[in-house]
Amino acid sequence: EVQLVESGGALVQPGRSLRLSCVVAGFTFEDYGMHWVRQGPGKGLEWVSGISWNGGSTGYADSVKGRFTISRDNAKNSLYLQMNSLRPEDTALYYCAKDGYGNHYHYMGVWGKGTTVTVSS
Amino acid sequence: IQLTQSPSFLSASVGDRVTITCRASQGIDSYLAWYQQKPGRAPILLIYGASTLQRGVPSRFSGSGSGREFTLTISSLQPEDFATYYCQQLDTYPLTFGPGTKVEIK
Repeated sequence: EVQLVESGGALVQPGRSLRLSCVVAGFTFEDYGMHWVRQGPGKGLEWVSGISWNGGSTGYADSVKGRFTISRDNAKNSLYLQMNSLRPEDTALYYCAKDGYGNHYHYMGVWGKGTTVTVSS
Repeated sequence: IQLTQSPSFLSASVGDRVTITCRASQGIDSYLAWYQQKPGRAPILLIYGASTLQRGVPSRFSGSGSGREFTLTISSLQPEDFATYYCQQLDTYPLTFGPGTKVEIK
């Protein structure tokens, strides 16, 4: 069974840093791109960042560019999101999601349950 | 690339045919996916490539469109379909989601 388990969420003060982790099981991690998606309280989904299978290509939402860094360790079946200079508007449930590919099209086929980040003084 | 969805809220009855529209600010070929999300749960993939039904998703769900305009149709709404639906473009980074359409029971 494919599983994605996020961790690392916490209550932090504005300006501080936090690192999220996502450990996966049930598939060959190094074969797939991965993403982070967040959802603020009562809000919609917001794609945060994505990374290719080997880490060679990454992308970021404009709202986090320059503050967040996505990375992965294929030997540990783990995805990370380093979040610096956190702002109250970064408060959200953060999901990791597995990239899928079929008929020339990508999608996010499997999601974790999420980890909660609260930025507040 | 900005995505808009209409309507933002929809009230419907079991058995109704429901259509949700997603429009992109520029052409995205068929690089569009649809997700369903229920309260307190992670999103579930319904459709990718604008019209390909994800394995295990009931056939009452269908998607169509290409370029800038897309639709998600539920042919006969079931009680378990009351949820929020999001479109997502996967054509260009940064990836983006639509604002969502909440489907509620009339």
